[in-house]
Parts: sequence; C-alpha cells; structure tokens
Amino acid sequence: NAGVTQTPKFRVLKTGQSMTLLCAQDMNHEYMYWYRQDPGMGLRLIHYSVGEGTTAKGEVPDGYNVSRLKKQNFLLGLESAAPSQTSVYFCASSYDGLAGIRDEQFFGPGTRLTVL
Amino acid sequence: AQTVTQSQPEMSVQEAETVTLSCTYDTSENNYYLFWYKQPPSRQMILVIRQEAYKQQNATENRFSVNFQKAAKSFSLKISDSQLGDTAMYFCAFMKQVAGNQFYFGTGTSLTVIP
Repeated sequence: NAGVTQTPKFRVLKTGQSMTLLCAQDMNHEYMYWYRQDPGMGLRLIHYSVGEGTTAKGEVPDGYNVSRLKKQNFLLGLESAAPSQTSVYFCASSYDGLAGIRDEQFFGPGTRLTVL
Repeated sequence: AQTVTQSQPEMSVQEAETVTLSCTYDTSENNYYLFWYKQPPSRQMILVIRQEAYKQQNATENRFSVNFQKAAKSFSLKISDSQLGDTAMYFCAFMKQVAGNQFYFGTGTSLTVIP
C-alpha cells in the first residue's frame, strides 16, 4: 500500500513552458486535492475532485488545470508556467466511501517546482 | 469563508518540557472537524491529532493533546515531554462536513526542540 504518490519530486521550468504533475492513490479514496505551499502562507487549495470525472476550483485556481479521468489519478497541469508558480505542490486524498471514513486527508510527499 | 489563524510563527521548547501551540478559527458551521498536522524537514504532512466539533471531550494521542474551546473557536495543541523528533512545522486545519471535505489551513508554527 503506497498511499499517495507524486511524480516528479523536483522540476525546473522556464517561463512559458508547460508540465503536468501526476498524483496517484491506492486507497480507493473518492476525494482528491491539489495544494500549493508557499513560505508564510500555509497550504492553499488549487483544485479538488469529489469523484472520477469531476473537478472543482479551490482558493487559487488561476493558471492551473486538472483532470480526473481515473479514480486513482489526479493530474495538475500548468499550461504556461510563470515565476509566481514557483512553489511546493502537494496532492492529498480522503474519504473511503466503503469504510465511511470521511475526515483525514492523506498527503503525498510533495513536488518542488521552480519556474525561472 | 473559513479562516484559521496561528498567531505564533515560531516557538522553541527545551527537550522534555511542555509546549502549547495556539490556533483559532472563524466559522458559522456547527458540525466540523479540526486537525493538527506536522510537517518535519522531510516535507511529509503527518496527521497528529483530530477533534470532532460535536465531541466535548478533548482528543489525546500519547504525548499530544488538544484544548478545544468551541464557543471561543480555539483549538490549541499541547505537546508533553517534548522530543527532538517533534521539531517541525505544525499546521492547524479546519474541515466542514460538506461534499469534498475541503480543508482550510493556518499559516503554521515552526517548533524547535532544543536539546
């Protein structure tokens, strides 16, 4: 049971380049989330998903897109990277519908992204 | 919108001593959850303790306990017998019970345990 995994762990981009961050979970969770963590600002929600095929905007969605084609995967895309998107990105998942456990979020190890 | 405030950006404590981290939140909800997460230098987010708002009894997990004051909207974390491995960033988080279970995080408190 790997929990929540993220690919890649580190990435450096040039302004204007695009990339996709991949999040995978093997806990059969319904809900998945993408956060960014910046110094002094805690974790801020970018987008989230309440199930396969669904996505919703969080607190800071601009400049990002997401997709959840499969229940276990949640992709975060940057179409045209900007230096303001330099951050650490965390994926999380929660809610095992069968077990009825709704609360705790399980986090991946994070991806450090630098945009030059 | 929900807001979570951690007013102590940095704290330190001597090994084996006790320290309390503060957290306040603002909400009009009646049913919700509160959490403390720990983020060591490895960057991994680790759940420390959770509290359901409908429970009056304060949650405890070994050396970690909370003081939950619902009327005051306060949720502090007490760490007893501090250990070097407790050195980390600590985040307070609020979750309301709606579809999606969105979390709202505070800005964190950096705790250093001094040998």
